Amino acid sequence: GAGVSQSPRYKVAKRGQDVALRCDPISGHVSLFWYQQALGQGPEFLTYFQNEAQLDKSGLPSDRFFAERPEGSVSTLKIQRTQQEDSAVYLCASSYKVLDYGYTFGSGTRLTVV
Amino acid sequence: SQQGEEDPQALSIQEGENATMNCSYKTSINNLQWYRQNSGRGLVHLILIRSNEREKHSGRLRVTLDTSKKSSSLLITASRAADTASYFCANGDMRFGAGTRLTVKP
Repeated sequence: GAGVSQSPRYKVAKRGQDVALRCDPISGHVSLFWYQQALGQGPEFLTYFQNEAQLDKSGLPSDRFFAERPEGSVSTLKIQRTQQEDSAVYLCASSYKVLDYGYTFGSGTRLTVV
Repeated sequence: SQQGEEDPQALSIQEGENATMNCSYKTSINNLQWYRQNSGRGLVHLILIRSNEREKHSGRLRVTLDTSKKSSSLLITASRAADTASYFCANGDMRFGAGTRLTVKP
């Protein structure tokens, strides 16, 4: 596609519910990042993929967070047993090259845990 | 923050004035990038400056890099109301600071 697509655009989850957030990067893009952005804050790094390999997951806040990119294209960020502190915008970004190129961001998924 | 600090946190100027934002980073870098974010939207890549470059221009944007001070600045000349947004810098590992919120008054 022409850009990075994230779905759903908005998600309301009850506390304790599992959610799955999807990122469709630009076709052929090798690098893919996930970020968590709280209101008024900068994007906080969660995890990084190069093709299907998850090379860095040091930013995932707990073992409730899991990300995958099995075929090196679409990626899914899964949050199990959601908590209120998980409420944030989750951003996905992709790039054709590895770590030395501008990244294209999706519009994000706004997750609200009630 | 994960990689450094932007300064100032907020900046309010009149249309036509220049806006300068600064970024300090903690680790050695291969490049530094600047992004803009309009409210409720994703980030948009503005410019990338490599560690062996000292200055780079793109339209009304001018970016400088001082690797000895681990700092960078973004200058927006002849600002417009449409430049109102948050501006972030990211190091080569794509770690972001807290950003500068720029308001340009018409």
